[in-house]
Amino acid sequence: NAGVMQNPRHLVRRRGQEARLRCSPMKGHSHVYWYRQLPEEGLKFMVYLQKENIIDESGMPKERFSAEFPKEGPSILRIQQVVRGDSAAYFCASSPPSRGNDYGYTFGSGTRLTVV
Amino acid sequence: AQSVTQLGSHVSVSEGALVLLRCNYSSSVPPYLFWYVQYPNQGLQLLLKYTTGATLVKGINGFEAEFKKSETSFHLTKPSAHMSDAAEYFCAVSPLSGGYNKLIFGAGTRLAVHP
Repeated sequence: NAGVMQNPRHLVRRRGQEARLRCSPMKGHSHVYWYRQLPEEGLKFMVYLQKENIIDESGMPKERFSAEFPKEGPSILRIQQVVRGDSAAYFCASSPPSRGNDYGYTFGSGTRLTVV
Repeated sequence: AQSVTQLGSHVSVSEGALVLLRCNYSSSVPPYLFWYVQYPNQGLQLLLKYTTGATLVKGINGFEAEFKKSETSFHLTKPSAHMSDAAEYFCAVSPLSGGYNKLIFGAGTRLAVHP
């Protein structure tokens, strides 16, 4: 019973390149959340998705960032034209379709993005 | 707007000593409350949560926390620290019940345990 799987674990990109972060939720979980952790800070909510729908993207930067959760396959967080300030740990979490909020999320191990 | 304050970004205790990590929240309605632990270069692991019912909540690894509505607090304690408890601890609130929600995290408290 695999947990939330994120890949890659570490990603290095040069300024201006694109970063693609992948998240496969736990089996039976249809809700996915992305959080960002900047150095020495707590996690900040970015986006909440269900299959084929973005429910809440209030934490996403307005430009260069996008997220999707297709009918088949993992959820993808995409960062275009990365800048040094995008260097952070990006965590994905998943929850079941009902009352997921009551039980807390299950987090993946994160993708640590370094922009050089 | 909801917020979470963790007093003390760094806490250091001796092995065997009491661990007390403080968390205060602001919320217009009683929220759900969580403590997570993060070991270096790893994801977050749920330690314990308060949703409804008994205000003293027991979690994994000997940790417990007490929800005090009058003090808007949810402090995390462990009677006797172990070296393996050294990690970063995050308090989080979830403002609503019954549906999806975004967790609002505190800035974290890094716990050091020395011999």
